[in-house]
Amino acid sequence: GAVVSQHPSWVICKSGTSVKIECRSLDFQATTMFWYRQFPKQSLMLMATSNEGSKATYEQGVEKDKFLINHASLTLSTLTVTSAHPEDSSFYICSAVYQQAEGQFFGPGTRLTVL
Amino acid sequence: RKEVEQDPGPFNVPEGATVAFNCTYSNSASQSFFWYRQDCRKEPKLLMSVYSSGNEDGRFTAQLNRASQYISLLIRDSKLSDSATYLCVVTGTSYDKVIFGPGTSLSVIP
Repeated sequence: GAVVSQHPSWVICKSGTSVKIECRSLDFQATTMFWYRQFPKQSLMLMATSNEGSKATYEQGVEKDKFLINHASLTLSTLTVTSAHPEDSSFYICSAVYQQAEGQFFGPGTRLTVL
Repeated sequence: RKEVEQDPGPFNVPEGATVAFNCTYSNSASQSFFWYRQDCRKEPKLLMSVYSSGNEDGRFTAQLNRASQYISLLIRDSKLSDSATYLCVVTGTSYDKVIFGPGTSLSVIP
C-alpha cells in the first residue's frame, strides 16, 4: 500500500510558539491531503482538506488563521499551529488519497503537547 | 442525528467468537465506504473497503445496504490481535466530504 509519513512524531512546546507539522506521500502523488485532530478517547475530527496549488478547505469551527495549511507540492502538505495554547494539545494526523477505491492512507500522527 | 453512527460498544468477546459491528449513515448521496481499525495511540489503518456486493477478506466480511444506509463488519474466529477500535468511514464523491464514525471498541479476551 501507499506510504504517508509525518514529521515530527511528537513535539512539546511552550504556549505562544508556532509548530509546523509535515505530511509527505512517499511513493505516490497526492493532489489532496487531509488533516485530522483526535483528542483522547474521541474519534478523528476532520480539520481541513489540503489541495495542491490552492487554498485549503476548512471545516466549520476550525480557525484558518490559527491552523495554516500549505500544500506546495504533490507530495507535501504542512500544517502550522500558530500561537499554540494548551488546548491545542492533541494528536494530529494527516492522510492522503492514493486511489479513491483504496481509501485514505494515514501518516503515523504527531502528538503535540503545549505547556 | 449524527452523519455516521456506530454501535457504542465496547465489545468484550472471548477468543474464537464471532462479532458484528454496525454503522449507519445519513447522507444517501454517500459514495464510498470503508472500515478502518485504530490501535491505541496509533493512526487508523484501512481494514477493507465496503461494496454493495459484499467484501470478504479472510475472517473479515463487510456488507453495504444502500437502501437502509447501513454498513456492517463481521469478524469470525476473533484473535487477541483484533482488539482495537473499528471506525466506519463514509465519503462523498471525490472525497469532498469524509466522515468518520465515533468508533466501536473491541477487546478480545483470552
